[in-house]
Amino acid sequence: TQLLEQSPQFLSIQEGENLTVYCNSSSVFSSLQWYRQEPGEGPVLLVTVVTGGEVKKLKRLTFQFGDARKDSSLHITAAQPGDTGLYLCAGLTTSGTYKYIFGTGTRLKVLA
Amino acid sequence: GAVVSQHPSWVICKSGTSVKIECRSLDFQATTMFWYRQFPKQSLMLMATSNEGSKATYEQGVEKDKFLINHASLTLSTLTVTSAHPEDSSFYICSARGERNRYNSPLHFGNGTRLTVT
Repeated sequence: TQLLEQSPQFLSIQEGENLTVYCNSSSVFSSLQWYRQEPGEGPVLLVTVVTGGEVKKLKRLTFQFGDARKDSSLHITAAQPGDTGLYLCAGLTTSGTYKYIFGTGTRLKVLA
Repeated sequence: GAVVSQHPSWVICKSGTSVKIECRSLDFQATTMFWYRQFPKQSLMLMATSNEGSKATYEQGVEKDKFLINHASLTLSTLTVTSAHPEDSSFYICSARGERNRYNSPLHFGNGTRLTVT
C-alpha cells in the first residue's frame, strides 16, 4: 500500500509568518498534486508537479517535487488568514489504474 | 473550467435504508471517476475507481456489495450506500479526471455529500 505522510498535521501561525508543509513517501509517484480544502467542500487543485526536482510558484506558494519523485514540499511566504484550510498532497500511482492517493493532510490556521 | 456536480449535498436517512449519491461532470466527459470518503478532520480515503461502461475497482477493505457504484455514462457516476448504518455516516466526495484518456490529468472534485445515518 502506498502511503503519503504529511507533516506537520496541524499548524497555527500568525499572519505574515512563513511555513513549510512536507509530503513524504517511500513510493515513487508519476506526479504529485497539492490541494486545499475548505470545510464542507471538495478539494481545490493548487498545482501539479511532474518532473523530479521541479519547482513551481503560485504567488506566495512554492511547490517542489523531490528528485526521486517520492516527496514534495509546499512553502508559503507571508501567510494570510485566507490561507487557512486543509492542505492535501496527492500522488498519482505509477501503474495499474493510475489513481491518486491522498496524503494525511495538514490543517493550517493563520491568525490575524 | 471543469465542473463536477455532486448531489445531494447532505442527506439524513434511517438505519437500514439505502442512499444514492450522484456525481456529474457538467462540461466534460469523464471516463474515470473516483469516490472518496472523508472522516472529520481527516484526509480523503479512496474507496473505488469508477470506469464508464465497466465494473468499478474497489480498494482493499471496501465492501463492494455495500457501496454500489454505477458509471453508466461519460458524465454520470452514482454511489449507492445500501442498508446504511450509523457507522456509514461520513463525507463522501467524488472526483473526475479533467481530460479523457489522460491518466495524469488533474482531478476535479464535487462539493461532497454529508451522509448522516440515524
